[in-house]
Amino acid sequence: VMTQSPAFLSVTPGEKVTITCQASEGIGNYLYWYQQKPDQAPKLLIKYASQSISGVPSRFSGSGSGTDFTFTISSLEAEDAATYYCQQGNKHPPITFGQGTRLEIK
Amino acid sequence: QLQLQESGPGLVKPSETLSLTCTVSGGSISSSSYYWGWIRQPPGKGLEWIGSIYYSGSTYYNPSLKSRVTISVDTSKNQFSLKLSSVTAADTAVYYCAEGPTNFDYWGQGTLVTVSS
Repeated sequence: VMTQSPAFLSVTPGEKVTITCQASEGIGNYLYWYQQKPDQAPKLLIKYASQSISGVPSRFSGSGSGTDFTFTISSLEAEDAATYYCQQGNKHPPITFGQGTRLEIK
Repeated sequence: QLQLQESGPGLVKPSETLSLTCTVSGGSISSSSYYWGWIRQPPGKGLEWIGSIYYSGSTYYNPSLKSRVTISVDTSKNQFSLKLSSVTAADTAVYYCAEGPTNFDYWGQGTLVTVSS
């Protein structure tokens, strides 16, 4: 089970954003972060907890291992309004997603 | 770069079988490099993994859906498919096909399937 928090964030552009994801048991670094904008498919932003994806802005980063993980947007931009999901790929089946964090721009 | 596209009926009656196909372009579905999966998202809710298949035909399913799910590959058409039997209103969702073993790098645009009489 993946427990993601918070469920909702309202943040001013330029501020730092932090989202956490906790696994019910150790998953190593098999933790991924996705961004989903309305009426779009999710987009992979971070793989293996902290590895960046080609083409993804450097303001997005991830950290953690085992059971506790963090996703950070270093300086929020208006285009970052979306829902963010964590996903574990170690203890499967099933592959499981966090409940999501809806990020609103103030 | 891989591209995936879902297709299938947008409306399915309760107790019937939902059938969707994902057409892959930009790569061979029979390549040992790829795993293929299905994920769904009920309206206004989060993501749920349904199951995945390797090019060899090996499958693994979400235990919560396993008794109703079949995923298969058609290498001649470069497609893979999802069948979900005995559907109810709770199966109404946007269904996505995607590529990846334990994470999903490429996604289709998604297709809404409504279960209703």
